[in-house]
Amino acid sequence: GAVVSQHPSWVICKSGTSVKIECRSLDFQATTMFWYRQFPKQSLMLMATSNEGSKATYEQGVEKDKFLINHASLTLSTLTVTSAHPEDSSFYICSASGQGGEKLFFGSGTQLSVL
Amino acid sequence: GDSVTQMEGPVTLSEEAFLTINCTYTATGYPSLFWYVQYPGEGLQLLLKATKADDKGSNKGFEATYRKETTSFHLEKGSVQVSDSAVYFCALIKAAGNKLTFGGGTRVLVKP
Repeated sequence: GAVVSQHPSWVICKSGTSVKIECRSLDFQATTMFWYRQFPKQSLMLMATSNEGSKATYEQGVEKDKFLINHASLTLSTLTVTSAHPEDSSFYICSASGQGGEKLFFGSGTQLSVL
Repeated sequence: GDSVTQMEGPVTLSEEAFLTINCTYTATGYPSLFWYVQYPGEGLQLLLKATKADDKGSNKGFEATYRKETTSFHLEKGSVQVSDSAVYFCALIKAAGNKLTFGGGTRVLVKP
């Protein structure tokens, strides 16, 4: 089946620094990518939807200036957590769908810990 | 808005035991329902789905039936194996290509 690669798997950073998470579709063209966040014992919450070549659509309550999403190609989307703070510590996971959006494929997730 | 509620884990079972993970949803219209599984160190994988009322999704010995009257989609497996240890997510979607709404996930640990 289709593969979505997400890196890094885990990252620890100091408060105030920025962290970039990459999501790549390895064997298909991902016209749409989704970014989710999960706090401990809570649901996966959609943060934003990005379509290749256009600006991401953010869910209510998600700061677009803090969580920068770039989907510059059909195989790569990045999420940058800018000026990270401890409250941004969470599990971030991406998913991708091809044309038609009939199937979603997920990355393995990134555990971010901000000290 | 739409929401999915599933039982909290962890659920610890012995091998060959019967597994049930409850999932209920709140949504307008007629959503499609999904169960995703995340094995350690891997991404979420679609386990099974059902697109209309009374449909039964099945895969790898797991089953779930779309019950509109009880707004439920409980996951069951008659005899679990150690390899079924994972986190299971119930989810719904209202239109193809639209966003998924997930439950909180249930961690299942199967002991030999």
